[in-house]
Amino acid sequence: GAGVSQTPSNKVTEKGKYVELRCDPISGHTALYWYRQSLGQGPEFLIYFQGTGAADDSGLPNDRFFAVRPEGSVSTLKIQRTERGDSAVYLCASSFTGGAREKLFFGSGTQLSVL
Amino acid sequence: AQSVAQPEDQVNVAEGNPLTVKCTYSVSGNPYLFWYVQYPNRGLQFLLKYITGDNLVKGSYGFEAEFNKSQTSFHLKKPSALVSDSALYFCAVREYNNNDMRFGAGTRLTVKP
Repeated sequence: GAGVSQTPSNKVTEKGKYVELRCDPISGHTALYWYRQSLGQGPEFLIYFQGTGAADDSGLPNDRFFAVRPEGSVSTLKIQRTERGDSAVYLCASSFTGGAREKLFFGSGTQLSVL
Repeated sequence: AQSVAQPEDQVNVAEGNPLTVKCTYSVSGNPYLFWYVQYPNRGLQFLLKYITGDNLVKGSYGFEAEFNKSQTSFHLKKPSALVSDSALYFCAVREYNNNDMRFGAGTRLTVKP
């Protein structure tokens, strides 16, 4: 596609429920990143994929968070037993190879609200 | 560990006046520095980056930034602000061996007519 696509744009769920957030990166980009942005804060790194593998998941806050990218393209961020503190905008980004010099292309994000 | 500071939460300027949005960084090695802009309900859009070479880098929409190694700063500038420049601006830093692009907390720029 022309840009990074994220669905849904908004997700409202109840505390304790399971949610999945989807990211479709720019075609041909091997690197994919998930970030979380809380109100009044900058994006916070969660996980980085190089191809199909999670090359760095050091930013995931706890084991309730998990992400996959089975075919090296679309990625899904999964959150189990959601908590109110998980409410934030979840941003996905991609880049061509993942090199540190490359700019990231961001999607519009998924606004997650946990009631 | 790498980090970024944006000391101003808010910057207000009049249209036509020059603007500066400040950013300082901390890294253990050589930094790669970036500026992004975020409009309401939109993702972050890349403005410019410093990798190496000339300390003054030019980017999109007439923005430029100056890398100052001694002051560990990378301030964003524009000679003449437009009302349409009003948005949230983020500075970011990344080291060559780090997968984490670290962002500042953001600065809200308001340009008044």
